[in-house]
Amino acid sequence: QSVLTQPPSVSGAPGQRVTISCTGSRSNIGAGFDVHWYQLFPGKAPKLLIYGNNIRPAGVSERFSGSKSGTSASLAITGLQAEDEADFHCQSYDNRLYGLVFGGGTKLTVL
Amino acid sequence: QMQLVESGGGVVQPGRSLRLSCRASGFTFNNFGMFWVRQAPGKGLEWMALIWSDGSNKDYVDSVKGRFTISRDNSKNMLYLQMNYLRVEDTAMYYCVKSEGSGRGKNDALEMWGQGTMVTVSS
Repeated sequence: QSVLTQPPSVSGAPGQRVTISCTGSRSNIGAGFDVHWYQLFPGKAPKLLIYGNNIRPAGVSERFSGSKSGTSASLAITGLQAEDEADFHCQSYDNRLYGLVFGGGTKLTVL
Repeated sequence: QMQLVESGGGVVQPGRSLRLSCRASGFTFNNFGMFWVRQAPGKGLEWMALIWSDGSNKDYVDSVKGRFTISRDNSKNMLYLQMNYLRVEDTAMYYCVKSEGSGRGKNDALEMWGQGTMVTVSS
């Protein structure tokens, strides 16, 4: 069972907006540690999508955005495209476990 | 172009050992902390081990302490994971991952990932 909680799946039609939640606790997200998001495609190297809660690395589309509040964070994807179909994982640091913690991952399906 | 290429995965019996390697290129390897992160089939990501940029500090998730050893050779741009006393539950895709920083920062993101090498522990 993952320390950070994500919905197992989300879906949306092309062009729509979806959000993926990442819920933690006072020892990780709520303690002020940054949240990062990764995008995983089968058979490919995972990719850093959002770092520092809301910063996009160079080359990442503006359609992806991150936010954080309290003990939770969210990833929003606007203007859904077929190529966005992937698994998304959130990550932070936990000062009770003294290590990185991840969410269980969310599978995005573009209908 | 920055790249991480893992090797060394395979099928191994419980209790046996395996050594994973990761060749880094396209960046100044000795400036960055490195991780091994794994994903078991149908499960989420899990960090295994961390080594600071200069190799002066190593850390492990509790489940592999005493069994796994992370090391690096900065002269060869190589990262390693020695896995001993393997268990069925160690079956996973293992990723070599570059930290955004030296490894000291708790807020550093996992900036770049390799494609992974699959380890299957089965009798």
